[in-house]
Order: sequence, then C-alpha cells, then structure tokens
Amino acid sequence: GDSVTQMEGPVTLSEEAFLTINCTYTATGYPSLFWYVQYPGEGLQLLLKATKADDKGSNKGFEATYRKETTSFHLEKGSVQVSDSAVYFCALTPTGNQFYFGTGTSLTVIP
Amino acid sequence: DVKVTQSSRYLVKRTGEKVFLECVQDMDHENMFWHRQDPGLGLRLIYFSYDVKMKEKGDIPEGYSVSREKKERFSLILESASTNQTSMYLCASSFLGLGGRGTSGNTIYFGEGSWLTVV
Repeated sequence: GDSVTQMEGPVTLSEEAFLTINCTYTATGYPSLFWYVQYPGEGLQLLLKATKADDKGSNKGFEATYRKETTSFHLEKGSVQVSDSAVYFCALTPTGNQFYFGTGTSLTVIP
Repeated sequence: DVKVTQSSRYLVKRTGEKVFLECVQDMDHENMFWHRQDPGLGLRLIYFSYDVKMKEKGDIPEGYSVSREKKERFSLILESASTNQTSMYLCASSFLGLGGRGTSGNTIYFGEGSWLTVV
C-alpha cells in the first residue's frame, strides 16, 4: 500500500548548519508530496509541496525535489536557525483524499 | 487563509466520561479528518468524512465515533473515555480530490490540536 518512510530523529544541529531530512515513499500512480512542520504545542502547517516528478517545492529557505526514479522527497535547508526547531513530517496523497504521513523527525537547532 | 478551529485546546476528563471534540473549518472543504498523535507513532487516522452524514473508519476507530451534520463541522466522540485515549487530537480538512493526475497538490489543513488527558 501507499506509505512514507522518513529518517529517524531526533536531529540536533548547530545554527547555520546544513539540514537534510530523508523521505522515501511507496505509492501507485501520481502522488503529490508534502512536507509539514509542527512547532511545539501546535498543529501541523504546510511547509512545501510538489505535485509531479522533478518539481521542486520551496518555502522559508527549505527545499525538496520530487524524485520519481528514487521515490524520494528529501527536505534540505542550507543554514538552519534556532527558530527552525520543530517536528517535520513528510506526507503524500495518491488521490487527493487519503493522506499518508511519516512518523516525523524532531529537529533541535542550538545556538 | 484556511482556518480549522478546534474548540478545546486542553481537556482533562475522568475515565468513563463521554467526551466531545469539536472542529469547524471555514473553507467549504468536503473532506474532514480526525487523527491522534502520540510520541513515536506519528499521526494515526481515526475517522474521516467526505460529505455531510458520511463517515469512513480510519486505522484506529475503536472507542471513537464521529458526527458530521453540517459541512463545516466534524465532531469526534469518545463514548466512554479511557486512559489509553490520552493523546493529542488533530482535526484536518481538504477539498475532495479528483484522483490520478488530478490530485494537483490537494492539500490537507490542520487545526491547532486538542490535548486530552483522561484520568
């Protein structure tokens, strides 16, 4: 069935370090892919999305490229800030009605 | 901006009580969802609804029921709360997806979450 696998956390980085959070997926057809972010005590917010192969989603310095050949959608940021500390979820929808989420990766950025 | 509002942010209930969690969305979305979130388990789907009075079981429906009498409102009901239902509950909504290439990034939007503690 459809599923998302993302790297285990927690991840701890120093400010201005490079971030990669790996995400791979299994899906039939043409899924759309997403990254959501959850700040402490809050719900999930859409960070970025991509709807077809080779699309790059980007927002707030974060980027992810939809790679159909490797079924991946890795999240990257060139220079993280303390305010990026949060839990990040990779997700997909194969139909636009069912949504499948990874288990989340906790990121802590230290000054 | 899409707004999904959960009526209660923090609740403390006793074992055996009936608990109602209310969710309202203002974007005329057809789909509405209830998830629970637990450490190490990520999000798990309890129920979803694609239309008024329609509901579908998710991955963990046992011990829960839902009600959707109006398009904008989706309620989660714990008939008899138990301590293992202590969790964060997340309501969400989306437009009805077309399937196939028509997913076009159909996006799910979440509320702020409701922290339920059952004692």
